[in-house]
Amino acid sequence: AQSVTQPDIHITVSEGASLELRCNYSYGATPYLFWYVQSPGQGLQLLLKYFSGDTLVQGIKGFEAEFKRSQSSFNLRKPSVHWSDAAEYFCAVALNTGGFKTIFGAGTRLFVKA
Amino acid sequence: DADVTQTPRNRITKTGKRIMLECSQTKGHDRMYWYRQDPGLGLRLIYYSFDVKDINKGEISDGYSVSRQAQAKFSLSLESAIPNQTALYFCATSDTRANYGYTFGSGTRLTVV
Repeated sequence: AQSVTQPDIHITVSEGASLELRCNYSYGATPYLFWYVQSPGQGLQLLLKYFSGDTLVQGIKGFEAEFKRSQSSFNLRKPSVHWSDAAEYFCAVALNTGGFKTIFGAGTRLFVKA
Repeated sequence: DADVTQTPRNRITKTGKRIMLECSQTKGHDRMYWYRQDPGLGLRLIYYSFDVKDINKGEISDGYSVSRQAQAKFSLSLESAIPNQTALYFCATSDTRANYGYTFGSGTRLTVV
């Protein structure tokens, strides 16, 4: 069955440090890939997406993600974390079956310490 | 005004009661979705609709029903609420013509006591 795995339930980084959030998917073909962010009390906001082409994609708020086909991964990165980045981050895949429904990972909660 | 509006934002209801969660959108998107979020489980799809005449079950549709009253409106009903339906519910929309990213509402926090 198709699945999306975010291995880290929570991560703590210092403000100004770099960040990498991991995402792996299980699917026979390359799906459409997304990262969303959820701030407390809010809905999810799209950070970035990958469909094809350049495997390094840029998103909003200074985030980027790299698609690695050989590893079935789509990790999210940010060079320097700000306190306002504290939130929950969800990786998601849209499958080319049944009309591109989206499957979400369980999420990684990011804590930022001063 | 928000692109995707959910009402109510919070609701406490008793076991066995019928409750409706409403969603409206101004994005002009064809597709609308209902997800529930539980800690550690991410978002799980309840129902989705690709247009007004199209309704499909998601992975956890038991105990829920939906109505697509118009392109812009998609409501979720719990016919007889039970405590394990306590969760955060999200409505989302997407456009079929361009990308497949979703626009989410702010969520409805439902507590069944």
